Amino acid sequence: QSVLTQPPSVSGAPGQRVTISCTGSSSNIGAVYDVHWYQQLPGTAPKLLIYGNTNRPSGVPDRFSGSKSGTSASLAITGLQAEDEADYYCQSYDSNLSGWVFGGGTKLTVL
Amino acid sequence: QVQLVQSGAEVKKPGASVKVSCTASGYTFTTYYIHWVRQAPGQGLEWMGIINPSGDSTNYAQKFQGRVTMTRDTSTGTVYMELSSLRSEDTAVYFCATGGTEVITAFDYWGQGTLVTVSS
Repeated sequence: QSVLTQPPSVSGAPGQRVTISCTGSSSNIGAVYDVHWYQQLPGTAPKLLIYGNTNRPSGVPDRFSGSKSGTSASLAITGLQAEDEADYYCQSYDSNLSGWVFGGGTKLTVL
Repeated sequence: QVQLVQSGAEVKKPGASVKVSCTASGYTFTTYYIHWVRQAPGQGLEWMGIINPSGDSTNYAQKFQGRVTMTRDTSTGTVYMELSSLRSEDTAVYFCATGGTEVITAFDYWGQGTLVTVSS
């Protein structure tokens, strides 16, 4: 089991909005540590999508947004496009483990 | 621009060791921390450890302590990850990644990944 919990899959039609949750604990998300999100297309390396809970790197469309509250975080994708179909991972630092932890990943299907 | 280029795929027998390299360019090598992350087939991402290329200090995930060694060669701008006592469960794609000069931060740049297959 992953330290951070994500739903295994989500789906939505083109143009719709979907959210992916990431639940942690007081030693990671609930502490001072930021949550980051990655998008991974099949056969490629993960790509940073959201950093510091809410920030988008240059080049990431504003259709992607992040939020954090308490021991949870969420990634929202609006105006779904076929190219958004990918695996999404959340990440944070865990003080109990003294290391970085990832969620188990969520597969987004665009119907 | 920052680039991390990894060595090619490896096939190893159970009990053997594997050493994967990650050559950095586009920045001053000793200033960016390097992480190693692995992904078993069809599975999620798993953090293995971090190395400070400046002072060679390391921090390994508890799961891998005693089996993993991360080193660096400042003359070539290369970081190495060696995993010993390989078993079938170590079959995975191994990535190097960096978040820059900060220790606790997002991983901005990733290598292309190296497939390590452990099979008798």
